[in-house]
Amino acid sequence: DGGITQSPKYLFRKEGQNVTLSCEQNLNHDAMYWYRQDPGQGLRLIYYSQIVNDFQKGDIAEGYSVSREKKESFPLTVTSAQKNPTAFYLCASSSHPPGQPQHFGDGTRLSIL
Amino acid sequence: GIQVEQSPPDLILQEGANSTLRCNFSDSVNNLQWFHQNPWGQLINLFYIPSGTKQNGRLSATTVATERYSLLYISSSQTTDSGVYFCAVPNRDDKIIFGKGTRLHILP
Repeated sequence: DGGITQSPKYLFRKEGQNVTLSCEQNLNHDAMYWYRQDPGQGLRLIYYSQIVNDFQKGDIAEGYSVSREKKESFPLTVTSAQKNPTAFYLCASSSHPPGQPQHFGDGTRLSIL
Repeated sequence: GIQVEQSPPDLILQEGANSTLRCNFSDSVNNLQWFHQNPWGQLINLFYIPSGTKQNGRLSATTVATERYSLLYISSSQTTDSGVYFCAVPNRDDKIIFGKGTRLHILP
């Protein structure tokens, strides 16, 4: 079945460590997105990519980095510069043109030890 | 950029009741999505509805693009309808802007 796979479901990080969250899609979508959700809050855009080898910062990109080397994959690295990384991270994808329906993965919960 | 406001922020209903959730947006849009986030955090697509009315079982949605709002109707609520409902619209720079959501609690 087509879909978006995020891994792992739960991730624990020690202070000062970088961690990478995986997002893979087999929907043949051009665009992929990373969102952060804090408890009781809405979704905030971290980074998005509309085409391979290109990506743009969202509203809260500081302390995060991404790459888009393959159409299917859009990994997110939470760096040690992100001072408050504990949150729920959601990956989404959509087809062209922009504004097409977004489809979401099941998310990764990141916690600091 | 575009602003998205959802109301009410919280809603508590008895099982079997009907409800209407509202999404207002500050600029013209060419599409709008409604999502349900279940208690496990999964975001489920409900409707992609740039304009007009769509129905899916007990749920229906209406978007009046000229008046910049959309409504989500839930009839005969069930406890499995609990969760947070989000609407989302695209900004001019192709980012998707989410409202803050309506948290729905259905009591058995």
